[in-house]
Amino acid sequence: KAGVTQTPRYLIKTRGQQVTLSCSPISGHRSVSWYQQTPGQGLQFLFEYFSETQRNKGNFPGRFSGRQFSNSRSEMNVSTLELGDSALYLCASSPSSGSSYNEQFFGPGTRLTVL
Amino acid sequence: ILNVEQSPQSLHVQEGDSTNFTCSFPSSNFYALHWYRWETAKSPEALFVMTLNGDEKKKGRISATLNTKEGYSYLYIKGSQPEDSATYLCAIFQGGKLIFGQGTELSVKP
Repeated sequence: KAGVTQTPRYLIKTRGQQVTLSCSPISGHRSVSWYQQTPGQGLQFLFEYFSETQRNKGNFPGRFSGRQFSNSRSEMNVSTLELGDSALYLCASSPSSGSSYNEQFFGPGTRLTVL
Repeated sequence: ILNVEQSPQSLHVQEGDSTNFTCSFPSSNFYALHWYRWETAKSPEALFVMTLNGDEKKKGRISATLNTKEGYSYLYIKGSQPEDSATYLCAIFQGGKLIFGQGTELSVKP
């Protein structure tokens, strides 16, 4: 089975721009979660999508949004980029939503640099 | 806000040493604890998912214990090898999402 894939792997943007990141989950997985990692911080939960619906949301401003398509692929969008948005963005998939037993299968991440 | 604390932040050991690190969490409303290993330039990979008080899991030289009443989990590595060098993350499942600690960075010198 192919793993979780994320595109692009690296991205450089300037302040004020917007960016869209893409995540393709493992085949058959319907839940996709997004995380942000910045230096000195652990993985911070952004949101989770399941069956094209946002199920959970972390404590991030409204500039961060996402969506999920019928094939379970997910995109994350950040508008009006700020320097502090520079981070590694990871997505993770799992077979279902809401179960504490489900391990997350992570992608390689997208490294976003905001200049 | 739920705080998941991991200690130590980093650890440097020699090949062959055994080591352990801690994950602490509030003990109320516990559902599950996850351990992940994150090697440099790779993706985090799940090691264990633990749900019951007193749970013990083992995978090769790595094992973990869970105490939900006092709110901690230990991860043990027996006879550390250079390939064990990675950041080890624990996370608590709460409110429908995983809340991660900041990780313990392990470096094993040959």
